[in-house]
Formats: sequence, C-alpha cells, structure tokens
Amino acid sequence: DAGITQSPRHKVTETGTPVTLRCHQTENHRYMYWYRQDPGHGLRLIHYSYGVKDTDKGEVSDGYSVSRSKTEDFLLTLESATSSQTSVYFCAISVGAGVVGADTQYFGPGTRLTVL
Amino acid sequence: AQTVTQSQPEMSVQEAETVTLSCTYDTSESDYYLFWYKQPPSRQMILVIRQEAYKQQNATENRFSVNFQKAAKSFSLKISDSQLGDAAMYFCAYRIPKGAQKLVFGQGTRLTINP
Repeated sequence: DAGITQSPRHKVTETGTPVTLRCHQTENHRYMYWYRQDPGHGLRLIHYSYGVKDTDKGEVSDGYSVSRSKTEDFLLTLESATSSQTSVYFCAISVGAGVVGADTQYFGPGTRLTVL
Repeated sequence: AQTVTQSQPEMSVQEAETVTLSCTYDTSESDYYLFWYKQPPSRQMILVIRQEAYKQQNATENRFSVNFQKAAKSFSLKISDSQLGDAAMYFCAYRIPKGAQKLVFGQGTRLTINP
C-alpha cells in the first residue's frame, strides 16, 4: 500500500458540467501523475506534477487541467465534461529506489467517471 | 516515440500450469526500465515485477519471472504454478529515467485461470 487515495471513487455527471477528481498521498513524494484507462489503450498520461505548483502536460491533456497547491494533493479538473472523457482515472506516485531515475510508480484505486 | 505492444489480447491456462505473456517495445534509448502490472477485477493496478535494462539477469519475484531480450526488445512474463488469484489483466509498461518519467503501457492481456 503506497498510501494513495482517490476521491470520488465513482461519479456520474452530465455533459458540460465541471468535475474535479482528487488524489491524496500520505508520504510526500515529489512526482504525481494522472492517467486515464480506456479499452484497447492501456493507461495514458494526462498530466503530471514534479512539485508544488509544478505541472506539465502528458499525451492526452486536451480538456483537462491540474493543480497542486500542496505536496500531498494533486487535483484533476474537467472544465466542461464531454462523453469522450468517460473513463477510469488513475493517480500514481513515483517512489524512489535511491538511484536517480530508478523510481517505480504506484497507483491509487482509480475513479470511474461516466459523462452522460 | 516509444511504443509497447502486447500481441495477445487474451490468454488462458490451467491451474498449476505455466503461462507466458508476451510484450515487445520500440525505443531508441539505451537506459530504461520495464514493468509488469496486474489489474484484477478490483481495478487496482498492482506492480508484479520490474527490470532494469542495464541488468542482464532476468528479474524474478516468487512465481513470476521475466525473459528480457534487450536486442530483440522483448520482455515476456512467465507465471509458474498458476493460481486462481492470478486471473487479471496484465499490462507491460516502459519508462525512461528522465523528463516526465512517464509510463508507456501496452494494451493489456486478459489472463484466465481454468480450475
């Protein structure tokens, strides 16, 4: 257990509404990630953070924004949800192995989001 | 761009038998890491095993082992003495130790264990 929680675990919303997903870690790791999982695609990176207020885009960032005002929390926001954003969202943290670049990522339990 | 390919969408094996899941990847990097993650019906992503590209020795974790062929860019997972609890989706993933250090995932292989 890497001490990662996600909230909510399930959400159903309507097209056009804003949605915020929260990822919380208990161990003060520097790197945090948001991925989405869709059938046939594995997991794909949306955004990531390498410190408080330091974030950058991943490969599928359109329609998403993130914020990290505290080390332990990484928020993912869908400004105006669309049906194409129906997916399972995973947060991950990067845990160091004592060697630069040798980290391993551990995942939260996931959030299933349905946009009607 | 780095890509990871799992060519077997589904596999099945008899309980107590051995099964091998295939994974190939494409990269021009020389330093990288490879991972296998398991996703049971609970949806939790669980790390099974990792391999450093600079290590020639194949990683093992109890009943799980890998066959890492760097020149062929192949990274297969062998599960010995399969158990019912091994039933899950298995994802192969690749990461380079720089920049975002993001994981690049394959499409997954669904493993069924037959009692």
